[in-house]
Amino acid sequence: GENVEQHPSTLSVQEGDSAVIKCTYSDSASNYFPWYKQELGKRPQLIIDIRSNVGEKKDQRIAVTLNKTAKHFSLHITETQPEDSAVYFCAASSSGTYKYIFGTGTRLKVLA
Amino acid sequence: EAQVTQNPRYLITVTGKKLTVTCSQNMNHEYMSWYRQDPGLGLRQIYYSMNVEVTDKGDVPEGYKVSRKEKRNFPLILESPSPNQTSLYFCASSLRLDTEAFFGQGTRLTVV
Repeated sequence: GENVEQHPSTLSVQEGDSAVIKCTYSDSASNYFPWYKQELGKRPQLIIDIRSNVGEKKDQRIAVTLNKTAKHFSLHITETQPEDSAVYFCAASSSGTYKYIFGTGTRLKVLA
Repeated sequence: EAQVTQNPRYLITVTGKKLTVTCSQNMNHEYMSWYRQDPGLGLRQIYYSMNVEVTDKGDVPEGYKVSRKEKRNFPLILESPSPNQTSLYFCASSLRLDTEAFFGQGTRLTVV
């Protein structure tokens, strides 16, 4: 069935360095690709999203890129700070299946 | 305040005792989902609803039921809970399938 694969499962970076998390999707009818941040004990919250008609989107230190041909999209966080430490989830929603599917998550640790 | 409200937050129950987790949103959203979150498995979609009286199975529907009689409410029903349904559950709603999902506070369910 449709799925979203996310890598890596854990990522440790030094404060100030960049972090990149990658996802691939299988359903070619997917057209919306959000990223969520979940802090410990909290609910997931949207940090950035991109639609299938856009290749890249940036919001301050966070950017997302989408390659529709390869069916993958990535989250880029620059100048990481300790408060960026959290679990990050990618997701894809499909106009074909009507499902909103999440990746398995990446635990990001920013070391001070 | 725009929000998604789940109840209860915590629940310990015994095998076979029917239970319902409620979910309500006040944003007039069309799309609602239930997810379970387990370590290493991310957020897996249990059921979703495109609108009133329109529901369908997600990726892990076995042992669960839902209903959508009103636009704002989307309860999750476990007719005969089993220990493998011990998990953290999230309800989420979005205006449409291709928009930001807003999550409830989560329900930590333990089935003994």
